[in-house]
Amino acid sequence: GESVGLHLPTLSVQEGDNSIINCAYSNSASDYFIWYKQESGKGPQFIIDIRSNMDKRQGQRVTVLLNKTVKHLSLQIAATQPGDSAVYFCADFPAGRRALTFGSGTRLQVQP
Amino acid sequence: EPEVTQTPSHQVTQMGQEVILRCVPISNHLYFYWYRQILGQKVEFLVSFYNNEISEKSEIFDDQFSVERPDGSNFTLKIRSTKLEDSAMYFCASSVWNDNEKLFFGSGTQLSVL
Repeated sequence: GESVGLHLPTLSVQEGDNSIINCAYSNSASDYFIWYKQESGKGPQFIIDIRSNMDKRQGQRVTVLLNKTVKHLSLQIAATQPGDSAVYFCADFPAGRRALTFGSGTRLQVQP
Repeated sequence: EPEVTQTPSHQVTQMGQEVILRCVPISNHLYFYWYRQILGQKVEFLVSFYNNEISEKSEIFDDQFSVERPDGSNFTLKIRSTKLEDSAMYFCASSVWNDNEKLFFGSGTQLSVL
């Protein structure tokens, strides 16, 4: 079965609000996680990554939180903008594999 | 900023025909990948390639698929006899290292099998 999965297929937020996208993973041996953004008709674009020796990592307007106890990953986007509208995927390297494995994706819709 | 480039952006073919999808990975990257995404679904791993050989492949990557690095810059995916269910967006990706490093993706080739 897949290693990662997403709780919600669609998230709608107002422009300027903060967005939180969640992801659950099943493989406790996974030690590296990535969030990708995919705009319509384009390839996945790297947003931020985190290794299992960390529980939080911040980028520009984005923060990833990792809770290894409950095997949960989240992506927080501050002050969401219309340009943030896209599908967001979490991905990991399942233990023993060389293949980055994607979850099902959450569509973020930003309302003006 | 360096990027992975893919050609063509769209490919239409008849069922049973052979297609070759082309990719130019980022120049200093050592690992290369093909993924596919059927419309509305998640991105699925097909194959990884390093040092001129396949590192890992998924169950999707059957005998109809092959990959090649014919020269120092190109990385190709060949589907020998296309089926309707091969219709998808195919993404090439590359990374510097394979051990837990982020992948950089191209913009994809939309393959339509009629």
